[in-house]
Amino acid sequence: GENVEQHPSTLSVQEGDSAVIKCTYSDSASNYFPWYKQELGKGPQLIIDIRSNVGEKKDQRIAVTLNKTAKHFSLHITETQPEDSAVYFCAASPNSGNTPLVFGKGTRLSVIA
Amino acid sequence: DGGITQSPKYLFRKEGQNVTLSCEQNLNHDAMYWYRQDPGQGLRLIYYSQIVNDFQKGDIAEGYSVSREKKESFPLTVTSAQKNPTAFYLCASSMGDNYGYTFGSGTRLTVV
Repeated sequence: GENVEQHPSTLSVQEGDSAVIKCTYSDSASNYFPWYKQELGKGPQLIIDIRSNVGEKKDQRIAVTLNKTAKHFSLHITETQPEDSAVYFCAASPNSGNTPLVFGKGTRLSVIA
Repeated sequence: DGGITQSPKYLFRKEGQNVTLSCEQNLNHDAMYWYRQDPGQGLRLIYYSQIVNDFQKGDIAEGYSVSREKKESFPLTVTSAQKNPTAFYLCASSMGDNYGYTFGSGTRLTVV
Protein backbone atom coordinates (compact mmCIF):
# COMPACT_ATOMS: atom_id res chain seq x y z
CA GLY A 1 0.00 0.00 0.00
CA GLU A 2 0.87 3.67 -0.12
CA ASN A 3 3.43 5.05 2.35
CA VAL A 4 4.07 8.76 2.89
CA GLU A 5 7.22 10.06 4.56
CA GLN A 6 7.36 13.70 5.72
CA HIS A 7 10.43 15.76 6.66
CA PRO A 8 11.44 17.53 8.79
CA SER A 9 9.38 16.71 11.87
CA THR A 10 10.13 20.15 13.33
CA LEU A 11 11.16 23.37 11.60
CA SER A 12 11.99 26.78 13.03
CA VAL A 13 12.38 29.84 10.82
CA GLN A 14 12.74 33.57 11.37
CA GLU A 15 9.77 35.70 10.48
CA GLY A 16 10.00 36.73 6.84
CA ASP A 17 12.10 33.73 5.81
CA SER A 18 10.82 30.84 3.66
CA ALA A 19 9.86 27.39 4.93
CA VAL A 20 9.94 24.17 2.92
CA ILE A 21 8.39 20.85 3.96
CA LYS A 22 8.99 17.74 1.87
CA CYS A 23 7.07 14.52 1.43
CA THR A 24 7.79 11.35 -0.51
CA TYR A 25 5.28 8.70 -1.52
CA SER A 26 5.66 5.09 -2.62
CA ASP A 27 2.71 4.39 -4.93
CA SER A 28 3.41 5.78 -8.40
CA ALA A 29 -0.32 5.57 -9.17
CA SER A 30 -1.23 8.13 -6.48
CA ASN A 31 -2.71 11.17 -8.15
CA TYR A 32 -3.90 13.68 -5.56
CA PHE A 33 -1.76 15.40 -2.92
CA PRO A 34 -3.33 17.76 -0.35
CA TRP A 35 -1.67 19.73 2.43
CA TYR A 36 -3.31 20.50 5.77
CA LYS A 37 -2.56 23.03 8.53
CA GLN A 38 -3.52 22.19 12.10
CA GLU A 39 -3.50 24.86 14.77
CA LEU A 40 -3.38 23.91 18.43
CA GLY A 41 -6.58 22.26 19.64
CA LYS A 42 -8.28 22.47 16.24
CA GLY A 43 -8.97 20.17 13.33
CA PRO A 44 -6.70 20.21 10.25
CA GLN A 45 -7.65 22.61 7.50
CA LEU A 46 -6.95 22.06 3.81
CA ILE A 47 -4.63 24.83 2.62
CA ILE A 48 -3.59 23.72 -0.86
CA ASP A 49 -3.67 20.62 -3.04
CA ILE A 50 -2.22 19.42 -6.32
CA ARG A 51 -3.16 16.74 -8.81
CA SER A 52 -0.74 14.57 -10.74
CA ASN A 53 -1.30 16.35 -14.05
CA VAL A 54 0.16 19.59 -12.62
CA GLY A 55 3.73 20.32 -11.56
CA GLU A 56 3.21 23.40 -9.41
CA LYS A 57 0.39 25.36 -7.83
CA LYS A 58 0.46 28.68 -5.99
CA ASP A 59 -1.92 30.50 -3.69
CA GLN A 60 -0.52 33.79 -2.41
CA ARG A 61 2.40 32.90 -0.08
CA ILE A 62 1.88 29.15 -0.37
CA ALA A 63 3.01 26.89 -3.20
CA VAL A 64 3.17 23.17 -3.76
CA THR A 65 5.46 21.40 -6.24
CA LEU A 66 5.16 17.82 -7.45
CA ASN A 67 7.85 15.64 -9.01
CA LYS A 68 6.13 12.47 -10.22
CA THR A 69 9.34 10.87 -11.44
CA ALA A 70 10.99 11.15 -8.05
CA LYS A 71 7.68 10.63 -6.21
CA HIS A 72 7.99 13.63 -3.98
CA PHE A 73 6.07 16.82 -3.37
CA SER A 74 6.86 19.89 -1.30
CA LEU A 75 5.10 22.76 0.45
CA HIS A 76 6.72 26.18 0.19
CA ILE A 77 5.70 29.07 2.43
CA THR A 78 7.29 32.44 1.64
CA GLU A 79 7.49 35.54 3.84
CA THR A 80 6.53 33.53 6.89
CA GLN A 81 4.50 35.16 9.63
CA PRO A 82 3.91 34.13 13.27
CA GLU A 83 0.40 32.97 12.37
CA ASP A 84 1.95 30.38 10.06
CA SER A 85 3.12 28.52 13.19
CA ALA A 86 1.22 25.21 13.23
CA VAL A 87 1.53 21.53 12.38
CA TYR A 88 1.43 20.77 8.66
CA PHE A 89 0.42 17.40 7.21
CA CYS A 90 0.90 16.15 3.68
CA ALA A 91 -1.18 13.33 2.23
CA ALA A 92 -1.45 11.19 -0.87
CA SER A 93 -4.49 9.58 -2.45
CA PRO A 94 -3.82 6.02 -3.64
CA ASN A 95 -5.30 5.42 -7.05
CA SER A 96 -7.12 2.27 -5.94
CA GLY A 97 -10.83 2.77 -5.47
CA ASN A 98 -12.34 3.64 -2.11
CA THR A 99 -9.02 4.03 -0.32
CA PRO A 100 -8.62 6.87 2.20
CA LEU A 101 -5.85 9.43 2.06
CA VAL A 102 -2.53 8.35 3.52
CA PHE A 103 -1.08 11.09 5.75
CA GLY A 104 2.49 11.96 6.65
CA LYS A 105 3.35 12.23 10.34
CA GLY A 106 3.37 16.03 10.33
CA THR A 107 5.82 18.92 10.62
CA ARG A 108 5.68 21.37 13.50
CA LEU A 109 6.56 24.79 12.08
CA SER A 110 7.57 27.59 14.44
CA VAL A 111 7.96 31.10 13.05
CA ILE A 112 10.10 33.20 15.37
CA ALA A 113 9.31 36.90 15.46
CA ASP B 1 -22.90 27.69 6.16
CA GLY B 2 -22.00 24.12 5.30
CA GLY B 3 -19.66 22.29 7.59
CA ILE B 4 -18.93 19.36 9.83
CA THR B 5 -19.79 19.43 13.53
CA GLN B 6 -18.34 17.27 16.27
CA SER B 7 -19.77 17.09 19.74
CA PRO B 8 -19.03 17.27 22.53
CA LYS B 9 -15.78 19.24 22.45
CA TYR B 10 -14.61 17.62 25.70
CA LEU B 11 -15.71 14.23 27.05
CA PHE B 12 -14.76 12.38 30.19
CA ARG B 13 -15.19 8.63 30.47
CA LYS B 14 -14.99 6.39 33.47
CA GLU B 15 -13.22 3.07 33.27
CA GLY B 16 -15.49 0.40 31.75
CA GLN B 17 -17.93 2.83 30.14
CA ASN B 18 -18.88 3.10 26.50
CA VAL B 19 -19.11 6.63 25.10
CA THR B 20 -20.35 7.89 21.74
CA LEU B 21 -18.86 10.80 19.84
CA SER B 22 -21.10 12.64 17.43
CA CYS B 23 -20.19 13.75 13.91
CA GLU B 24 -22.67 15.52 11.63
CA GLN B 25 -22.07 17.12 8.21
CA ASN B 26 -24.30 19.17 5.92
CA LEU B 27 -21.89 19.24 2.99
CA ASN B 28 -23.69 16.41 1.16
CA HIS B 29 -20.45 14.44 1.24
CA ASP B 30 -20.66 10.70 0.59
CA ALA B 31 -17.54 9.69 2.54
CA MET B 32 -16.84 10.13 6.25
CA TYR B 33 -13.85 9.21 8.39
CA TRP B 34 -12.74 8.94 12.02
CA TYR B 35 -9.15 9.59 13.09
CA ARG B 36 -7.38 9.41 16.41
CA GLN B 37 -4.57 11.82 17.27
CA ASP B 38 -2.29 11.38 20.27
CA PRO B 39 -0.10 14.24 21.59
CA GLY B 40 2.59 15.13 19.10
CA GLN B 41 1.48 12.35 16.79
CA GLY B 42 -0.01 12.09 13.35
CA LEU B 43 -3.47 10.98 12.30
CA ARG B 44 -4.42 7.32 12.64
CA LEU B 45 -7.49 6.03 10.80
CA ILE B 46 -10.08 4.25 12.94
CA TYR B 47 -13.04 3.67 10.58
CA TYR B 48 -14.33 5.09 7.34
CA SER B 49 -17.53 4.97 5.34
CA GLN B 50 -17.85 5.62 1.62
CA ILE B 51 -21.63 5.27 1.50
CA VAL B 52 -24.64 4.96 3.78
CA ASN B 53 -25.02 1.59 5.54
CA ASP B 54 -21.46 0.59 4.73
CA PHE B 55 -18.17 1.13 6.57
CA GLN B 56 -14.67 -0.34 6.74
CA LYS B 57 -12.08 -0.76 9.46
CA GLY B 58 -9.05 1.48 9.41
CA ASP B 59 -5.65 0.85 10.95
CA ILE B 60 -6.73 0.93 14.63
CA ALA B 61 -10.37 -0.22 14.71
CA GLU B 62 -10.09 -2.49 17.77
CA GLY B 63 -12.19 -1.19 20.67
CA TYR B 64 -14.25 1.13 18.47
CA SER B 65 -17.54 0.79 16.60
CA VAL B 66 -19.41 2.99 14.12
CA SER B 67 -22.71 3.21 12.27
CA ARG B 68 -23.75 5.04 9.09
CA GLU B 69 -27.53 5.05 9.02
CA LYS B 70 -27.77 8.51 7.50
CA LYS B 71 -25.57 10.29 4.99
CA GLU B 72 -25.14 13.21 7.36
CA SER B 73 -24.12 11.27 10.47
CA PHE B 74 -21.24 8.97 11.41
CA PRO B 75 -21.11 8.45 15.19
CA LEU B 76 -18.15 6.72 16.82
CA THR B 77 -18.52 4.58 19.95
CA VAL B 78 -15.46 4.06 22.11
CA THR B 79 -16.09 0.81 23.93
CA SER B 80 -14.68 -0.50 27.19
CA ALA B 81 -12.50 -2.80 25.08
CA GLN B 82 -10.40 0.20 24.06
CA LYS B 83 -7.76 0.14 26.78
CA ASN B 84 -6.16 3.51 26.12
CA PRO B 85 -8.91 5.78 24.80
CA THR B 86 -7.54 9.13 25.99
CA ALA B 87 -6.88 11.07 22.78
CA PHE B 88 -8.11 13.76 20.41
CA TYR B 89 -10.67 12.38 17.95
CA LEU B 90 -11.23 13.95 14.55
CA CYS B 91 -14.06 13.35 12.12
CA ALA B 92 -13.78 14.26 8.45
CA SER B 93 -15.86 14.09 5.29
CA SER B 94 -15.17 14.27 1.58
CA MET B 95 -16.87 13.95 -1.80
CA GLY B 96 -14.95 10.71 -2.30
CA ASP B 97 -11.67 9.51 -3.73
CA ASN B 98 -9.18 12.14 -4.80
CA TYR B 99 -10.92 14.97 -2.98
CA GLY B 100 -9.77 16.86 0.06
CA TYR B 101 -11.21 16.24 3.48
CA THR B 102 -13.13 18.70 5.61
CA PHE B 103 -12.34 18.09 9.26
CA GLY B 104 -14.41 18.83 12.32
CA SER B 105 -13.00 20.68 15.30
CA GLY B 106 -12.41 17.49 17.26
CA THR B 107 -13.46 15.85 20.53
CA ARG B 108 -10.95 15.50 23.34
CA LEU B 109 -11.71 12.30 25.28
CA THR B 110 -10.20 11.74 28.70
CA VAL B 111 -10.50 8.65 30.88
CA VAL B 112 -10.96 9.50 34.55
